[in-house]
Amino acid sequence: DQQVKQNSPSLSVQEGRISILNCDYTNSMFDYFLWYKKYPAEGPTFLISISSIKDKNEDGRFTVFLNKSAKHLSLHIVPSQPGDSAVYFCAAVLGIQGAQKLVFGQGTRLTINP
Amino acid sequence: EAQVTQNPRYLITVTGKKLTVTCSQNMNHEYMSWYRQDPGLGLRQIYYSMNVEVTDKGDVPEGYKVSRKEKRNFPLILESPSPNQTSLYFCASSLSKDSYEQYFGPGTRLTVT
Repeated sequence: DQQVKQNSPSLSVQEGRISILNCDYTNSMFDYFLWYKKYPAEGPTFLISISSIKDKNEDGRFTVFLNKSAKHLSLHIVPSQPGDSAVYFCAAVLGIQGAQKLVFGQGTRLTINP
Repeated sequence: EAQVTQNPRYLITVTGKKLTVTCSQNMNHEYMSWYRQDPGLGLRQIYYSMNVEVTDKGDVPEGYKVSRKEKRNFPLILESPSPNQTSLYFCASSLSKDSYEQYFGPGTRLTVT
């Protein structure tokens, strides 16, 4: 049972344009969401997060939007740069047995074309 | 430099031969966790530890063991590896069990033949 889903395995965007990565979730108990970025042969690195009580969080070129009623979040990258080419994982936080558990989506491979 | 290190980075082994993947962090983090990444499935949690001598099962613990004798180290043990444990493994740590952001190691690619 995949509680966090990224339905697009890959996305290709022209340099300078907007990249939009999407994520859907099923568990309404998730109270925090994060996006991680992963380059080949490296571990995921934290990119941006949003609390479930907010609907938008912005950090430079990166903006995350949360639509709780639709159980949907998206990551916008504007403008897209070649260095943004990576795999992006959406993750949701669930409090279980006193710890914060991360539940990950399958990942979306973003390719920025020059 | 603050980091999570894993060793080895690459390992090819045979079915049934016990192995250990080490994980160490230098950030004095309380919480550590192991994940495996498989195509189409994302990262799934194997085991986690909220502090020294405190460990618990994640979503896919079968076939794995862990220990947390020191705060900085969290080794992953495969007593009798099988081909379905061929995967990319990541160790991660965070400041405490209440911290949302986890810091990941570089990964260990394991192949079991």
